[in-house]
Amino acid sequence: QQQVKQSPQSLIVQKGGISIINCAYENTAFDYFPWYQQFPGKGPALLIAIRPDVSEKKEGRFTISFNKSAKQFSLHIMDSQPGDSATYFCAARRRGAQKLVFGQGTRLTINP
Amino acid sequence: GAVVSQHPSRVICKSGTSVKIECRSLDFQATTMFWYRQFPKKSLMLMATSNEGSKATYEQGVEKDKFLINHASLTLSTLTVTSAHPEDSSFYICSARFQGANQPQHFGDGTRLSIL
Repeated sequence: QQQVKQSPQSLIVQKGGISIINCAYENTAFDYFPWYQQFPGKGPALLIAIRPDVSEKKEGRFTISFNKSAKQFSLHIMDSQPGDSATYFCAARRRGAQKLVFGQGTRLTINP
Repeated sequence: GAVVSQHPSRVICKSGTSVKIECRSLDFQATTMFWYRQFPKKSLMLMATSNEGSKATYEQGVEKDKFLINHASLTLSTLTVTSAHPEDSSFYICSARFQGANQPQHFGDGTRLSIL
């Protein structure tokens, strides 16, 4: 059972463009939604996270949009750069739980 | 800078040996640490959740006797792959969570384990 569904599996964007990665969930008990960035041979690094009491959170070029009624959240990378090329994972955690549930990952390639 | 340190970053050993991987939280106390396994081009698969001073909670399908986890202090957890075989070759990643509610989870840089 895939609790967090992530799409697309891979994405190619031109330099300067907007990269958009989407995630959907079913469990309404989830109350914490982080995004991680992973480069080859490295562990995931926390990029940005959001809780369901807000609809949007922005940190630099990275923005999370959250739609509670649709049970969807997305990551937007503005002015995408070649250095943003990496695999991105969305995740979710239930209220009071310890572990994260991860999406399948999106391999993002930014062409120069 | 890195908040979770994992060592070694890469290890190659012969089949049948045991391998220990260390995970340390830097500058914070982690009551909970997690161990993941990641196959190429795949998502992270949680193996176990480790709480300081108590036995680890293993996910379904993970062999407790194969993957020994010890969390003896608030800053150190270890994963020992016992009697390793080629099918145990993988990328193992630990993570730690700050003490307290609503805290994020930070990951180490992983250990590439290759069993010959």
